[in-house]
Amino acid sequence: GAVVSQHPSRVICKSGTSVKIECRSLDFQATTMFWYRQFPKKSLMLMATSNEGSKATYEQGVEKDKFLINHASLTLSTLTVTSAHPEDSSFYICSAIIRGIHNQPQHFGDGTRLSIL
Amino acid sequence: DAKTTQPNSMESNEEEPVHLPCNHSTISGTDYIHWYRQLPSQGPEYVIHGLTSNVNNRMASLAIAEDRKSSTLILHRATLRDAAVYYCILSADTSGTYKYIFGTGTRLKVLA
Repeated sequence: GAVVSQHPSRVICKSGTSVKIECRSLDFQATTMFWYRQFPKKSLMLMATSNEGSKATYEQGVEKDKFLINHASLTLSTLTVTSAHPEDSSFYICSAIIRGIHNQPQHFGDGTRLSIL
Repeated sequence: DAKTTQPNSMESNEEEPVHLPCNHSTISGTDYIHWYRQLPSQGPEYVIHGLTSNVNNRMASLAIAEDRKSSTLILHRATLRDAAVYYCILSADTSGTYKYIFGTGTRLKVLA
């Protein structure tokens, strides 16, 4: 149980394009989802915390107008990279926690590799 | 935010136990200790977590120091499939949401 699915797994697009990444909790309801990015050979960096029905909380240094997060339902959060440029190329990973259970493990998706040409 | 310190890399022989250390000297009383591992091009996989007492599950054991300033992940018999980057993470309560701050992790190499 506790499966998190990300789509797409890989995307390649031209500079200036906006790209939407979906994060779904398949078999549970998630009040909170998290978005991370990871550069090659580096650790995961938390970008934002997404709560269902409210605005996302962004970490310091993360541009909220650049990385739009929507968490419209208890099973879906989306990250849109707007007007993407080559420096936005990275591995984006989401995670989710099960509704109503505090301080339990985050369940991670398998990530989306974004390449901007 | 409380931080963790891990060795950059470790090696182990197959079928032998592995002890992966983690220091978290600034841990607060309510921080849980989580361990995840990550294979290339995949999301992190949950391994184990605990608060104060040692924990065991089918994947590993977690030994937590009495002062909670350090912990050790124990893989009882390493296999080639255990080769991964292992992250020790403290979950910090931020306005009711426990977020993870990842450290640099330990790259475990398992030798056949």
